[in-house]
Amino acid sequence: GAVVSQHPSWVICKSGTSVKIECRSLDFQATTMFWYRQFPKQSLMLMATSNEGSKATYEQGVEKDKFLINHASLTLSTLTVTSAHPEDSSFYICSAILNPRNEQFFGPGTRLTVL
Amino acid sequence: AQKVTQAQTEISVVEKEDVTLDCVYETRDTTYYLFWYKQPPSGELVFLIRRNSFDEQNEISGRYSWNFQKSTSSFNFTITASQVVDSAVYFCALRVNAGGTSYGKLTFGQGTILTVHP
Repeated sequence: GAVVSQHPSWVICKSGTSVKIECRSLDFQATTMFWYRQFPKQSLMLMATSNEGSKATYEQGVEKDKFLINHASLTLSTLTVTSAHPEDSSFYICSAILNPRNEQFFGPGTRLTVL
Repeated sequence: AQKVTQAQTEISVVEKEDVTLDCVYETRDTTYYLFWYKQPPSGELVFLIRRNSFDEQNEISGRYSWNFQKSTSSFNFTITASQVVDSAVYFCALRVNAGGTSYGKLTFGQGTILTVHP
């Protein structure tokens, strides 16, 4: 199957700093990627849809200025958490769509802890 | 809007017992896909099955089986002869076949924590 990687797998940062998370499709090109957030013992909540070469589409309630998404190439999407605060601590998961099969492959996730 | 409900928050069984995880979905779309994923403690989602709305055949894969019933909007998952390694969080998810901004979006249920005791 297709492989999606995320980097870093975990990160600890101080409150007020910015953190960048990368999502890469390793063996296929993905025009569409998704970013999810998962709080402990909760479900995955879609944050935004990342489209290569265009602006991301954010879900209702997600601050686009706080969660910056860039999909500059067909194999890479980045999520930057700006001015992170403890409440942003979460598990962030990306996924990529493999066309034309329209299958979705998930990355292993990034655990963010903001002190 | 789409909705997926997994009413069982936690299930605890003893090894070798059979266990069924329930999933009920809501959508107005006639074409959609249903999924089950397993999330072990490592956090990585493991794909288990995808079923489209036009295929109501039940499926069996080893100890796993799925019962899809459109009449009750349910897509239940049964593990036969459970094992300790089956302990994980299981998510049911729905994707409609819409284009535009809904393309590819998954709606997840709340998840069911399954614990299999030796």
